[in-house]
Amino acid sequence: DQQVKQNSPSLSVQEGRISILNCDYTNSMFDYFLWYKKYPAEGPTFLISISSIKDKNEDGRFTVFLNKSAKHLSLHIVPSQPGDSAVYFCAASRLSGSRLTFGEGTQLTVNP
Amino acid sequence: SQTIHQWPATLVQPVGSPLSLECTVEGTSNPNLYWYRQAAGRGLQLLFYSVGIGQISSEVPQNLSASRPQDRQFILSSKKLLLSDSGFYLCAWSVGGRSGTDTQYFGPGTRLTVL
Repeated sequence: DQQVKQNSPSLSVQEGRISILNCDYTNSMFDYFLWYKKYPAEGPTFLISISSIKDKNEDGRFTVFLNKSAKHLSLHIVPSQPGDSAVYFCAASRLSGSRLTFGEGTQLTVNP
Repeated sequence: SQTIHQWPATLVQPVGSPLSLECTVEGTSNPNLYWYRQAAGRGLQLLFYSVGIGQISSEVPQNLSASRPQDRQFILSSKKLLLSDSGFYLCAWSVGGRSGTDTQYFGPGTRLTVL
């Protein structure tokens, strides 16, 4: 039962352009969402989060959008940089007390 | 500031041998602690989590076990490794008080290869 899905295993973008990473979820009880970035052979690094009371959260070049009715969230990176090349995981949880559920990840490649 | 350590960074073990991976957290008290595994080309699978000393919850039945002998120490063990235990093992922590609902912060990981 894959409750959090990242349907695109990979994404390639030119440097300076926008990267849009997508994530869908099925559990309507999820109310807290996170994005992590992972380089090979390293642990994931927390990027940005959003709670269900918001539909947008911005931190520098990173913006997360949440569409609760569609059960969809996205991460926008603009402008994209070669150093952004990594695997991006979305994750979700219920604030009433359960663990993070992760998607399968999307490999982002930013070409110079 | 909080830091999380894992060791060893890499490990090659024969099938049937025991395993012990250690994770420690500094700079916080009573954290929630987690063990994840990432198999090749796959997402993150939660193996165990702990909300306090001696309190371990298992997410997936397997030949692995976890222990939390001290507040900020989390150990992943196996008595006999299988080939399928190969993967990248990650320890994570979050602020204690609620089970896994806060942001989790990950350690550097251990690459385990079982031959």
